[in-house]
Amino acid sequence: EVQMIQSGAEVKKPGSTVKISCKVSGYTFSDFFLHWLQQAPGKRFEWMGLVDPSDGSSIYAERFQGRVSITADTSRDTAYMEMTLTSEDTAEYFCATGAYSSGLIYFFDYWGQGTLVTVSS
Amino acid sequence: EIVLTQSPGTLSVSPGARATLSCRASQSVSRGKLAWYQRKPGQAPRLVIYGASTRGTAIPDRFSGSGSGTDFTLTISRLEPEDFAVYYCHQYGTSPSTFGQGTKLEIK
Repeated sequence: EVQMIQSGAEVKKPGSTVKISCKVSGYTFSDFFLHWLQQAPGKRFEWMGLVDPSDGSSIYAERFQGRVSITADTSRDTAYMEMTLTSEDTAEYFCATGAYSSGLIYFFDYWGQGTLVTVSS
Repeated sequence: EIVLTQSPGTLSVSPGARATLSCRASQSVSRGKLAWYQRKPGQAPRLVIYGASTRGTAIPDRFSGSGSGTDFTLTISRLEPEDFAVYYCHQYGTSPSTFGQGTKLEIK
């Protein structure tokens, strides 16, 4: 059974950094891309970026480029999303597996349970 | 970008009845690349349908997807108590991939 377990809720100040983890089990971690998505209150899901655990390479959505870093630790079967926060980043963050090819993201097969990040001064 | 509009926003249906959820795209969705996800509070979203009509892993056959072009439908026949949730559509045929705003399926 595939499981993706995310780290717990965080409360942070604007300008600080948050790092969320996503530990996977039930499949070979390096076999699939690992994505991160954001869902702000009342907003739609938005794709943030991905990491290819097999080689550590990452790709980011333009809106998050420069302030998000997505990494993978194959020794721990864990992916991380680190972001420098603004007051607009209060949201739930999800990891998910899914294919990626020729600039296209595909559907997301499995998801983590979500991590709520609250940004408040 | 392609905007997905789901309707209705909330759907109240009795257990055992049929539910029909709609997802309309602002432009044609390339090659029927549309997925549906189920989200329950505190749980991970679950892939229900991909490719407009293919069920995800372990999804019961009371779930069915249909549609092409700009109009897509998720139908749940014979609603079970565990089916009440929020459902999201997602197009992945054109970059950037985009999501609908969700339909809440609640018990009547």
